[in-house]
Amino acid sequence: GAVVSQHPSRVICKSGTSVKIECRSLDFQATTMFWYRQFPKQSLMLMATSNEGSKATYEQGVEKDKFLINHASLTLSTLTVTSAHPEDSSFYICSAQDRRSLAQHFGDGTRLSIL
Amino acid sequence: EDKVVQSPLSLVVHEGDTVTLNCSYEVTNFRSLLWYKQEKKAPTFLFMLTSSGIEKKSGRLSSILDKKELFSILNITATQTGDSAVYLCAVEAGNQFYFGTGTSLTVIP
Repeated sequence: GAVVSQHPSRVICKSGTSVKIECRSLDFQATTMFWYRQFPKQSLMLMATSNEGSKATYEQGVEKDKFLINHASLTLSTLTVTSAHPEDSSFYICSAQDRRSLAQHFGDGTRLSIL
Repeated sequence: EDKVVQSPLSLVVHEGDTVTLNCSYEVTNFRSLLWYKQEKKAPTFLFMLTSSGIEKKSGRLSSILDKKELFSILNITATQTGDSAVYLCAVEAGNQFYFGTGTSLTVIP
């Protein structure tokens, strides 16, 4: 089946560090990828929609300068959390939309811990 | 290997029908199983299950977990057209979430 690889799966770093998370579609092309943040009550919050070759569309309340998204190819999108602080600690999940079937496939997520 | 498998992949029913969606998993350090409804972009949380045999209910939706047989079911009774969506199952294990590919449900008037 369709596979989305998200890397790294776990990051622990000091406050002020920038962290890059990669999301790759391994056997399909994705013109659109989505970045989510998982909150303690298990709700997934959509942060932004990443479109290949164009600027990402951010949801209201999400700082675009804080969460940099790059969708450089049809199989790769990256999320960079810049100057991360403890309140950025969370679980970040990406999904990729198959350009043919339009089905969304989720990555396994990245647990980010900022000390 | 697929850690979370949902079935069926797709389902078309008539309004009023009852449907059962399945989610089986194979993970280590199981923590919880979650069901989501996805209509547009962001999935909507439905249930979180951690204990076997305890049914969780919300209106016409209910879900139960079997930790011995490693599966969960999501039931929807008296389906309505508004129930048409992709239903996602996710398992939290260790430090990660594993998502199934979803079941696409279409309810016809």
